[in-house]
Amino acid sequence: DIQMTQSPSTLSASVGDRVTITCRASESISMWLAWYQHKPGKAPRLLIHETSSLESGVPSRFSGSGSGTQFTLTISSLQPDDFATYYCQEYNTYFLTFGGGTKVEIK
Amino acid sequence: QVQLVESGGGVVQPGRSLRLSCTASGFTFSRYGMHWVRQAPGKGLEWVAVTIYDGSNEYYADSVRGRFTISRDNSKNTMDLQMNSLRVEDTAVYYCAKGIGHNYGNPFDTWGQGILVTVSS
Repeated sequence: DIQMTQSPSTLSASVGDRVTITCRASESISMWLAWYQHKPGKAPRLLIHETSSLESGVPSRFSGSGSGTQFTLTISSLQPDDFATYYCQEYNTYFLTFGGGTKVEIK
Repeated sequence: QVQLVESGGGVVQPGRSLRLSCTASGFTFSRYGMHWVRQAPGKGLEWVAVTIYDGSNEYYADSVRGRFTISRDNSKNTMDLQMNSLRVEDTAVYYCAKGIGHNYGNPFDTWGQGILVTVSS
């Protein structure tokens, strides 16, 4: 099975900060990576698929990059609505493995 | 609008069974792979199972294979998860999710609100 490792697990940041979250796959997944935002008590929200394709309605301050085994999610200027937990997910295999999550907290 | 609604959760004793259902609306259900994803208390998201668009194939996480069965009825726009031999570690919020494509290898663009399953004696 592919393992997905996210870092950091927790991130403290202020409104306006540039934030970067890293996701590493244990083997190559090409570009088959998605990012989700999850807030407590809510359904997760798909932000990005195929590494860098922004979903409709997602603000342009979110961006994704990478390939193979190393991927990043960047929030260019953190907004109050962005405090949440973020998950990467590979879909190169049918196991559809999620990373462990990165909680973005208010500093 | 596209909507997924889960039902059937609750409290069940270890070793017993429970059946979850997901009712879909607002899209052509028979064209998409459908998934179950769960989140145990204080833990991250874990993919559980998928049924592809026509119900001809399904896949499971190692943690549930042989105990859980996913199924779908495209005539009723519903998907079920039959959970047998439940364990305490199956306690979680279970989400129904729609893939962005018809097969299994796709991310999920629509999720239900989730339903709690508690396995406890």
